[in-house]
Amino acid sequence: QVQLVQSGAEVKKPGSSVKVSCKASRGTFSTFAISWVRQAPGQGLEWMGRIIPFLGVADYAQKFQGRVTVNADKSTTTAYMELSSLRSEDTAVYYCAREGYDSSGYQSFPLDSWGQGTLVTVSS
Amino acid sequence: DIVMTQSPATLSVSPGERATLSCRASQSISSNLAWYQQKPGQAPRLLIYGASTRATGIPARFSGSGSGTEFTLTISSLQSEDFAVYYCQQYNNWPTWTFGQGTKVDIK
Repeated sequence: QVQLVQSGAEVKKPGSSVKVSCKASRGTFSTFAISWVRQAPGQGLEWMGRIIPFLGVADYAQKFQGRVTVNADKSTTTAYMELSSLRSEDTAVYYCAREGYDSSGYQSFPLDSWGQGTLVTVSS
Repeated sequence: DIVMTQSPATLSVSPGERATLSCRASQSISSNLAWYQQKPGQAPRLLIYGASTRATGIPARFSGSGSGTEFTLTISSLQSEDFAVYYCQQYNNWPTWTFGQGTKVDIK
């Protein structure tokens, strides 16, 4: 069974940064991408970006360009999402999710397994 | 970005009845459409991908259809555990994915 285990809840001040981790199995890291999706309280899902660990390539939603960094440590099979310049509107649950990857570029894949979520609260 | 629009926002259905949820894309996404179910306090769960293929372990009462810009999720006979929020997501416009705003299915 695929498992993505995320780090615990965080409380941050406006203007600071937060880094959320997502530990995956070695098999996931060698053949899949890891996407990050957030959900503000009572709101819908918002895709933020992805890392393809075995390529070291990252993509970002335009909304978060310049403020979010996603990367991965292959030695620990852990993906990270760092969001900077936090504001109150960034208060949300942040999820990592596994996404298939086709190096030929012919196919795209849905998010088939999700972490448990990490609540990030931004408050002064 | 491709905009995904779901309707209705809320659907009130009695147990055992059929539920039909709609999702529209602002431009063609072929069949690169997924549906997710989310219950309170839980992570989303993949139900349908490729517009019509059920994910592993998903009951046959869930079915998806459509291609291009118009998609439908049908739950043939609602069970108590099906009352949840459902999201569609396009994964056609590499590298950026987008979700619909969700449809809440609640008990009538």
